[in-house]
Amino acid sequence: DAKTTQPPSMDCAEGRAANLPCNHSTISGNEYVYWYRQIHSQGPQYIIHGLKNNETNEMASLIITEDRKSSTLILPHATLRDTAVYYCIVRGGPNYGQNFVFGPGTRLSVLP
Amino acid sequence: DGGITQSPKYLFRKEGQNVTLSCEQNLNHDAMYWYRQDPGQGLRLIYYSQIVNDFQKGDIAEGYSVSREKKESFPLTVTSAQKNPTAFYLCASRSGQTNTGELFFGEGSRLTVL
Repeated sequence: DAKTTQPPSMDCAEGRAANLPCNHSTISGNEYVYWYRQIHSQGPQYIIHGLKNNETNEMASLIITEDRKSSTLILPHATLRDTAVYYCIVRGGPNYGQNFVFGPGTRLSVLP
Repeated sequence: DGGITQSPKYLFRKEGQNVTLSCEQNLNHDAMYWYRQDPGQGLRLIYYSQIVNDFQKGDIAEGYSVSREKKESFPLTVTSAQKNPTAFYLCASRSGQTNTGELFFGEGSRLTVL
């Protein structure tokens, strides 16, 4: 079973920041938070991952609360091409044997 | 360019027929995975392989079979025993050597049973 809870859908205006929440209240100390997104009828694409510190890359920022029970993926300037389903996944570190469990995710619609 | 290639992209099958979906990667990844996705749903793990000549059942392996004879290839056979095979099938791979370990996905194969 997925260890995360996400809202089923969200809207965001083009050019504004999109903030996608994820609840993972049962996360354990050695588990990372990963984010992927899936544009319609394509394979999912890796976005970012983190353990406890905030992370930023060219695609997005990941903010993890101090107690690690929730996180937020931030797309700083959303474009129409960011319309996709976003998956938040909790999993043991890169070399752990755990598999990635994809729940239903959040369907983000970026509106012109 | 390095990546994962799935074929065919679209496939139609009559009931009672087996069909094999191809997945090839040139990323030199050790682990490979097959997922199934139904409309509006997340991905469910069918089979995975951490190393050549070894593979493990995922959450929904019944009615499917795989082989891993080469590092680059991980074909999935959808057998006639799979009761509801119409779905979008995704292959993925990952390296155990990087410090991120993220999955890389192919573009998927859409199977429709007529």
